[in-house]
Amino acid sequence: GAVVSQHPSRVICKSGTSVKIECRSLDFQATTMFWYRQFPKQSLMLMATSNEGSKATYEQGVEKDKFLINHASLTLSTLTVTSAHPEDSSFYICSARWGRIYNEQFFGPGTRLTVL
Amino acid sequence: QQQVKQSPQSLIVQKGGISIINCAYENTAFDYFPWYQQFPGKGPALLIAIRPDVSEKKEGRFTISFNKSAKQFSLHIMDSQPGDSATYFCAASKSFGNEKLTFGTGTRLTIIP
Repeated sequence: GAVVSQHPSRVICKSGTSVKIECRSLDFQATTMFWYRQFPKQSLMLMATSNEGSKATYEQGVEKDKFLINHASLTLSTLTVTSAHPEDSSFYICSARWGRIYNEQFFGPGTRLTVL
Repeated sequence: QQQVKQSPQSLIVQKGGISIINCAYENTAFDYFPWYQQFPGKGPALLIAIRPDVSEKKEGRFTISFNKSAKQFSLHIMDSQPGDSATYFCAASKSFGNEKLTFGTGTRLTIIP
């Protein structure tokens, strides 16, 4: 149980285009999902916390107009990178909070974004 | 107060040996401490987690030791295997509510034959 999927797994786009990444909890309902960004050989950097039916909470320094997050249902959250530029190239990973009591979070497989 | 310090940065262990990774936290409000395993190009996978009401938790070859007074916790991998070669992240958070995880910087573990 507690499986999280992401789509697409890999995307290459041209500079200036927008890219949408989907995060789904497959076998549980997640009221909270988290979006991370990870650079090579570095730790996970939290970008935002996404709660179902409400606006996402962004971490300091993350541009909310550039990284649009929508959590429309208990099993789906999306991250849209708007007007992507090469510096947005990174590994984006979502996680979904599963534990009703403890803060158990399960991660998706990640999306590799390359902006040319 | 939100930091989680992890060491070592990298670790090489012989097959069959014990791998030990240490973490220290500052925020005394943290009461949930998971460990994640990440292979290259993949998302982190929850390995094992502990809460402060116990000092040790074991699942198979993986054991978490927890020292509340020292605000430290560690991951022990017994009988380390080449398939354990990965990056390991410790994390900490409050266990209730929609709290974000505070991650350590990661340890790249290599198991050599």
